[in-house]
Amino acid sequence: GENVEQHPSTLSVQEGDSAVIKCTYSDSASNYFPWYKQELGKRPQLIIDIRSNVGEKKDQRIAVTLNKTAKHFSLHITETQPEDSAVYFCAACASGGSYIPTFGRGTSLIVHP
Amino acid sequence: DAEITQSPRHKITETGRQVTLACHQTWNHNNMFWYRQDLGHGLRLIHYSYGVHDTNKGEVSDGYSVSRSNTEDLPLTLESAASSQTSVYFCASRRTAEETQYFGPGTRLLVL
Repeated sequence: GENVEQHPSTLSVQEGDSAVIKCTYSDSASNYFPWYKQELGKRPQLIIDIRSNVGEKKDQRIAVTLNKTAKHFSLHITETQPEDSAVYFCAACASGGSYIPTFGRGTSLIVHP
Repeated sequence: DAEITQSPRHKITETGRQVTLACHQTWNHNNMFWYRQDLGHGLRLIHYSYGVHDTNKGEVSDGYSVSRSNTEDLPLTLESAASSQTSVYFCASRRTAEETQYFGPGTRLLVL
């Protein structure tokens, strides 16, 4: 089955800095890669996703890149703000697996004012 | 508004008791999922269903069961609660042929 590794487990940055979270996956059949943000005590919520037919996707201050050859994808947050503090999860899904995501273990992002 | 809800939001029970966690969605999604979330383990799949009367085991299904008698509900039952099942449980749903899952608010379960 799919295995998703996520690093780092904790990331501490100063407000205004950039943050990068990296994930690797093992199943070459995976073709959909969502990222979820989970604030303390809340549910995970989708913030951005990317499909295997594109290499990069941006939405304001967040972007995701995908390298299919190396089987890794990354979340980039620019100009971080305290409200970006949360746990971020990456996931990988294969359409052949009926889009059941395998999640990484999460990254706790702390943005210091 | 369409939504996904879970109840109870918090539950304390004793070892050996049967516990049922409810999940209800009004989006008419065919696909529903149960996850548990533990520190250091992320989200792990317990059971999932692709439609009425369909259920499937996930990565960590031992000690759990589900049933799907209608589209809206997928209750999760802990047959005999164990302390190792203390966790936060999230239900999720997804429309067939779409990739995005939507999560419920979670149930925090403590087994003493």
